[in-house]
Amino acid sequence: AQRVTQPEKLLSVFKGAPVELKCNYSYSGSPELFWYVQYSRQRLQLLLRHISRESIKGFTADLNKGETSFHLKKPFAQEEDSAMYYCAPPSLGGGYNKLIFGAGTRLAVHP
Amino acid sequence: DGGITQSPKYLFRKEGQNVTLSCEQNLNHDAMYWYRQDPGQGLRLIYYSQIVNDFQKGDIAEGYSVSREKKESFPLTVTSAQKNPTAFYLCASNPQQGDYGYTFGSGTRLTVV
Repeated sequence: AQRVTQPEKLLSVFKGAPVELKCNYSYSGSPELFWYVQYSRQRLQLLLRHISRESIKGFTADLNKGETSFHLKKPFAQEEDSAMYYCAPPSLGGGYNKLIFGAGTRLAVHP
Repeated sequence: DGGITQSPKYLFRKEGQNVTLSCEQNLNHDAMYWYRQDPGQGLRLIYYSQIVNDFQKGDIAEGYSVSREKKESFPLTVTSAQKNPTAFYLCASNPQQGDYGYTFGSGTRLTVV
């Protein structure tokens, strides 16, 4: 079965420190990968998608097909980055564009 | 103001009762989804639908049912057959096949009492 793994439930850093939220998935060659974010008292929302290769709020994510990873990175964390982050690759088969979500990593950025 | 509206925000159910969670969108999105969110388990797909009058089971469909009579609406019924229904339920939509950018609702927290 397809799986997506976010090994850290909680990542705690100080403001200004680099951040890397890990994501590994169980199949290779995925054409598209996503990171979603949920800030406190807000809805789950799309943060960035692999195919766009853009940087959103200073975050980037590189797809490593060899390692089947899609880690989310930011060089200097800010307090407003504190949130729950979910990695989401698409689910294969069925002809529908459905996503599977990891268990999530809570990022806590301390002043 | 376009978006997805889920109601109610909180719902309490007695054991043995069926309850229906509402999800409405005015984004003209084709596809709609129901996910269940439990602590430490992320989001798990219950049902999804790409067009009116068509829907497919997700990974944990047992004990749930849906309908898609209108493009805007995708209600989820939690039946008495669902053994552990207490959870946070999220509805999402996206515009077309191949576009994975989901818009999420604010969720419904269901508690069995």
